[in-house]
Amino acid sequence: DTAVSQTPKYLVTQMGNDKSIKCEQNLGHDTMYWYKQDSKKFLKIMFSYNNKELIINETVPNRFSPKSPDKAHLNLHINSLELGDSAVYFCASSPEFNTQYFGPGTRLTVL
Amino acid sequence: AQKVTQAQTEISVVEKEDVTLDCVYETRDTTYYLFWYKQPPSGELVFLIRRNSFDEQNEISGRYSWNFQKSTSSFNFTITASQVVDSAVYFCALTSSGAGSYQLTFGKGTKLSVIP
Repeated sequence: DTAVSQTPKYLVTQMGNDKSIKCEQNLGHDTMYWYKQDSKKFLKIMFSYNNKELIINETVPNRFSPKSPDKAHLNLHINSLELGDSAVYFCASSPEFNTQYFGPGTRLTVL
Repeated sequence: AQKVTQAQTEISVVEKEDVTLDCVYETRDTTYYLFWYKQPPSGELVFLIRRNSFDEQNEISGRYSWNFQKSTSSFNFTITASQVVDSAVYFCALTSSGAGSYQLTFGKGTKLSVIP
């Protein structure tokens, strides 16, 4: 039944580690996204991925890399985690040029 | 560049009062889409409404209504007879072809607290 799912829901890790967050959608959408929500609740786009074309937000450090094995999945890999990476990360998907539906979010805490 | 401004950071109302959440947007594109999302305390982002730039008709859905005015670049959201379950952070968002792959630009959100 779940439309957009993310795993894990919570992720606690040490500074310097590498971690991945997985996202899957079963809506048949062409486009997927990653957003970051900071401690002040501000939501900002990180990446969008449409039919194998990746659009990178220039403000995102290159420690963050999205990987899309197929149209239904867009994973987020983060290298050398820093304290400032602590946030809630949301995956979303949409039919092209249409409403985005969000996953439940992954709360990342870097210690 | 696109911008969405939600000037109200926090609003508190007593249950059954009406409340309007303001949203002002900026874009150079003539074709764009406006959205409202709700984020309850549980944290998920729930889609409420989508409106395209060519459709200025106001919309009503139960206790929710939206007022889109291109002349003032506003897309305000009114909750009638508020309930405790309406307590959440509400985000207004904007997207257009100029944004690149239609990624959403969000406002900073308005936290609504409905007091019983």
